Amino acid sequence: AQSVTQPDIHITVSEGASLELRCNYSYGATPYLFWYVQSPGQGLQLLLKYFSGDTLVQGIKGFEAEFKRSQSSFNLRKPSVHWSDAAEYFCAVASMFSGGYNKLIFGAGTRLAVHP
Amino acid sequence: GAGVSQSPSNKVTEKGKDVELRCDPISGHTALYWYRQSLGQGLEFLIYFQGNSAPDKSGLPSDRFSAERTGGSVSTLTIQRTQQEDSAVYLCASSFQLGGQETQYFGPGTRLLVL
Repeated sequence: AQSVTQPDIHITVSEGASLELRCNYSYGATPYLFWYVQSPGQGLQLLLKYFSGDTLVQGIKGFEAEFKRSQSSFNLRKPSVHWSDAAEYFCAVASMFSGGYNKLIFGAGTRLAVHP
Repeated sequence: GAGVSQSPSNKVTEKGKDVELRCDPISGHTALYWYRQSLGQGLEFLIYFQGNSAPDKSGLPSDRFSAERTGGSVSTLTIQRTQQEDSAVYLCASSFQLGGQETQYFGPGTRLLVL
């Protein structure tokens, strides 16, 4: 069965430090991968996505992610974290149904705290 | 342009009452999804609509849950005889493309608390 694992439930970094959030997926075919961010009391905002092509994808707010098929990973990175990046981050894989649509399977999320 | 909107933002109800949650997708998006976000279960798929086709209800947790989509646009998720375990954030998402390289855009959610 398809699944997404985010090993880190909670991460704390200092403002200005670099960040890497880990994501591992289990999916039989070529995965379509997403990172979403959720601020307190808000919905999910799309940060970036990978469908095909260049394995390093750029997103909004200075985030990037790298797809590594050999490691079944899609880690999210940012070179310098800002206090406003404090939020919960969700990695997701699109699971194709026979009806031709995608159900998103989410990881449990990583909550990021940023120290001033 | 306008994103996905949901109403109400928050809903407090008593156990046993029925509730209706509304979703307005992005204009022109043909696909609409409902997800539930709860402490114990994380984010889970509930139901999918595509245009005027019959919905895929495979994720609905019980027959107390139902949803409809009128005119291929607005959707309503109804929970009958609410239980405390129904307390969660209900998120709606819409997308334009069928399958393949499809991106789902989410609304702000409805936070449901069942007392």
